Amino acid sequence: DAGVIQSPRHEVTEMGQEVTLRCKPISGHNSLFWYRQTMMRGLELLIYFNNNVPIDDSGMPEDRFSAKMPNASFSTLKIQPSEPRDSAVYFCASRIRDRGRPGGYTFGSGTRLTVV
Amino acid sequence: TQLLEQSPQFLSIQEGENLTVYCNSSSVFSSLQWYRQEPGEGPVLLVTVVTGGEVKKLKRLTFQFGDARKDSSLHITAAQPGDTGLYLCAGGSQGNLIFGKGTKLSVKP
Repeated sequence: DAGVIQSPRHEVTEMGQEVTLRCKPISGHNSLFWYRQTMMRGLELLIYFNNNVPIDDSGMPEDRFSAKMPNASFSTLKIQPSEPRDSAVYFCASRIRDRGRPGGYTFGSGTRLTVV
Repeated sequence: TQLLEQSPQFLSIQEGENLTVYCNSSSVFSSLQWYRQEPGEGPVLLVTVVTGGEVKKLKRLTFQFGDARKDSSLHITAAQPGDTGLYLCAGGSQGNLIFGKGTKLSVKP
């Protein structure tokens, strides 16, 4: 199993540009999560999906952020327009959602975003 | 708002020493997980604890879930340089995980 695959690994962009981060979850996992990690705030949940349906997007900072999951094997996180304060490492994670068991998350290697 | 406080924030020790890191909350969690994160990578699950008072061992690592399911500890015996990393605790809540900010451990040879 290749694990959770994120692309790109690094992204440097100018303020005001659109940024799209991509994630391929583990096959068979039915929950997908987008997190943002910074030194100051740690890992923050942005949004999560169950069976491709967005369940909770209360962590999305503002309207500049949007996420989609068109099918079980692909998700995107888009920032438009990007701002320097969006600079962080963005992680995607997936798991098998089972009401009876607290399944562990498998994280991707992250996308390090720098907005200049 | 549920919060997980981890302490200490940073810990630097010599190889062979023992250490304990803590994860505390005022909220009750249905489960608690510990992850280790190395630079440039995502967190990797170490263990899940579910029952209050539960103790789990993973080689030199011992994890304990508090009786009231509000806190947890991670004890490492005879630390090795390979244990270096960011240790994160995460509490299960309403279908997702809330993460603490982590303890950054450095084990010097």
